[in-house]
Amino acid sequence: QQQVKQSPQSLIVQKGGISIINCAYENTAFDYFPWYQQFPGKGPALLIAIRPDVSEKKEGRFTISFNKSAKQFSLHIMDSQPGDSATYFCAASMDPSGTYKYIFGTGTRLKVLA
Amino acid sequence: NAGVTQTPKFQVLKTGQSMTLQCAQDMNHEYMSWYRQDPGMGLRLIHYSVGAGITDQGEVPNGYNVSRSTTEDFPLRLLSAAPSQTSVYFCASSGYNEQFFGPGTRLTVL
Repeated sequence: QQQVKQSPQSLIVQKGGISIINCAYENTAFDYFPWYQQFPGKGPALLIAIRPDVSEKKEGRFTISFNKSAKQFSLHIMDSQPGDSATYFCAASMDPSGTYKYIFGTGTRLKVLA
Repeated sequence: NAGVTQTPKFQVLKTGQSMTLQCAQDMNHEYMSWYRQDPGMGLRLIHYSVGAGITDQGEVPNGYNVSRSTTEDFPLRLLSAAPSQTSVYFCASSGYNEQFFGPGTRLTVL
């Protein structure tokens, strides 16, 4: 039962370009939306997260845009670098503390060309 | 402060064999969980625990057992391994606003 749909499955971007990954959800009870970054052979690590009371959150080159009415949120990576090459997962949780019971998207494999 | 540790890193089993994947955390977190990661499927929740002595099923619990006797440890048991359980397994420990993942165990069932 896939409750969080993520696209695209893979993405190739030139160095300095903008990478955009999209996620959509159906359950309006979700209250916390994190993005995780995973390098090969490693476990996922939290990159950035947002709650539905704001429409955008920015941390350095990484921005989450959130559209509550459309039930969609996206990750934008500005000035993409080869070191950003990784797999990115969106997730959603009904726990407002963001502690538990995450539903993950299927992942996007990003490759940034030097 | 080691965070979340998992052992072993790699394991090959034959169909029908049993084994336990170990997970430990030193962050004093109450909530721990096990996920499996398969290509194109993302991370799927197997079992989780909200504290010592309390466990519950996630999205894909069949073929797996868990127990939580201490806050620190949350082992995952495969009672009779099947080829469909070939996957990468991640343990996670949760604090406020974040799940901390271990390095994973790559399991192959022949």
